[in-house]
Formats: sequence, structure tokens, C-alpha cells
Amino acid sequence: NAGVTQTPKFRVLKTGQSMTLLCAQDMNHEYMYWYRQDPGMGLRLIHYSVGEGTTAKGEVPDGYNVSRLKKQNFLLGLESAAPSQTSVYFCASRRQVRIKMNTEAFFGQGTRLTVV
Amino acid sequence: AQKVTQAQTEISVVEKEDVTLDCVYETRDTTYYLFWYKQPPSGELVFLIRRNSFDEQNEISGRYSWNFQKSTSSFNFTITASQVVDSAVYFCALSGIGNEKLTFGTGTRLTIIP
Repeated sequence: NAGVTQTPKFRVLKTGQSMTLLCAQDMNHEYMYWYRQDPGMGLRLIHYSVGEGTTAKGEVPDGYNVSRLKKQNFLLGLESAAPSQTSVYFCASRRQVRIKMNTEAFFGQGTRLTVV
Repeated sequence: AQKVTQAQTEISVVEKEDVTLDCVYETRDTTYYLFWYKQPPSGELVFLIRRNSFDEQNEISGRYSWNFQKSTSSFNFTITASQVVDSAVYFCALSGIGNEKLTFGTGTRLTIIP
């Protein structure tokens, strides 16, 4: 039971470098999310997807891009990393929201990213 | 727009005391789900409970209980006889049915003092 797997778990980038964070889920969930967690600010939604081939902006999308080419994968890209993007990134997945259906989100272990 | 407010940033209690974590939400959806998650020092996010807006029955699970009051838009979480292992950050979250966004509060850091 892998659930939600994030790769990598840790990364240090130099300002201006690019990278991609990979999220994979094996629960056949329709919805997937990328959040960032910063001290005192809780979990803020970056981008999300309601199905293969679709993505949408969350509350803090600037500086990030996403793609969902396959239902099980959701990629988060940083084209030109900045120190303000130093954070812990969480991916989550869940079923489509319907009445009387379990719809809690399952989270990956997180990726700690430092931009120097 | 939907919003979740956890006004308590940090709480410290002595072991075996009871503690209540507050959550107030705003939503335009008529039907929605509320959640509580726990984030222990190890960092993972652990699902605790889900409530839907059309079922206001409160719930008790061991030392945990939840009080959902639609009239005051609150979904509070109480730990009875707290233990050191309860030390964690607790998040409240909201999702409207038909609304894909899952919105979290800023979290409450709970410290149980032995």
C-alpha cells in the first residue's frame, strides 16, 4: 500500500535553477493537490487537478507550473527557483467529492526544498 | 470563497488536562465536508475525522471528540485526558461538495507538558 509517494524527499537548489517534484498515487483518485507549508501559514494550495489533463490555480500559484498527463501522477515544476520558494511541499490525492462518500485527502511524506 | 480560521496559534497544557481546539469556517456551499488532520513532529499529515454538513451529530472516539455546530460555523476538537503523544500541529480543513478545493486553516500547535 504505497498511497501517495513524493520524490524527492529533500533538495537544495541554487537561485535560478529549475526542478520538478513528482507525486504518484496508486488509489485511482480523481483529485490531486500541491500545497506548500510555511511556519505560521498552514497549508496553502498551489495548484490542483480534478482529472487527467486538467489543472487549476490555487491561492499561491506564481512561480510554479504543474502537469497531469497521467491520472496517477501530478508534477510540480519550478522554472527558476527563488529563496521565497524555500518550503515543505506536500502532495495529496482524494476521490471526487460526492455526498456520503469518503473524501478525505491522503498526503505524501513531503519534500523539504531549500533555495539558496 | 471558502475560509478556515484557527485562531489559537499555540496551546500548552499539562498532561491529563482536557484541551479544545477551535475551528471556524466560512463557505457559500450549502453542503460541505469538514476535516481534522494531525501533524506530529515527524511531519506526516494524519487524517483524524470527517464530518458532513447535513449530519450534525457529534462524535466521540476514545479520548477524542468533535463538536460540529452549523449555527456558529464551528467544528471544534476536544482531547480528553491529554497525553504527551498528542503533541502535534492540528489542522482543520473544509471542502464544498461540488467544489474541488480543499482549504486548510493555519493550524494549532499543541504541546502537552509531562
